[in-house]
Amino acid sequence: DVKVTQSSRYLVKRTGEKVFLECVQDMDHENMFWYRQDPGLGLRLIYFSYDVKMKEKGDIPEGYSVSREKKERFSLILESASTNQTSMYLCASSSRLAGKFGDEQFFGPGTRLTVL
Amino acid sequence: GQQLNQSPQSMFIQEGEDVSMNCTSSSIFNTWLWYKQDPGEGPVLLIALYKAGELTSNGRLTAQFGITRKDSFLNISASIPSDVGIYFCAGQGLTQGGSEKLVFGKGTKLTVNP
Repeated sequence: DVKVTQSSRYLVKRTGEKVFLECVQDMDHENMFWYRQDPGLGLRLIYFSYDVKMKEKGDIPEGYSVSREKKERFSLILESASTNQTSMYLCASSSRLAGKFGDEQFFGPGTRLTVL
Repeated sequence: GQQLNQSPQSMFIQEGEDVSMNCTSSSIFNTWLWYKQDPGEGPVLLIALYKAGELTSNGRLTAQFGITRKDSFLNISASIPSDVGIYFCAGQGLTQGGSEKLVFGKGTKLTVNP
């Protein structure tokens, strides 16, 4: 069974803290993605990676960075958390058989982050 | 950029009723995906469509890839309480550079009354 796991389901942080969200997939997928999901705005792509050490900005990269040191792991970093980064964060992965972005994306359970 | 219009935004139905939702775009897509998200969980892939006109079923779910490649619909027959959740469509285009990123609809929130 395909599996994408995220390190925390719920996280509460203070403004200004550095926050790490971890994602691991066991499907040997080349592509990994970070989204945030907010009511009324749907899923918005923050960053994605199509290979180890490779990353590209998505639609809303400001305030975030990412790290992909190993194929199975993709980390999202909030350098200095702010209240407007309170959101549900979803990690996904896909195979690159269909090209750079792959096609079918498999999602993790999400991390609900609250920044106070 | 590319946008998907998903409708309806929400639906309140009685158990046993059939449900229909759709996504439309001004852009052409080569792949349509339908996901379901339970409260507090990540989206789960329900159906993937790869060819214009394709009609695919997964149990009580049926989805179609529109012939114009600009739309797709999802039907749920004989709804049950566990069908509750948010259903998302996602489309993916294809260019010379390869596949494009997924574009997501904003979701249809389904409530099923027993």
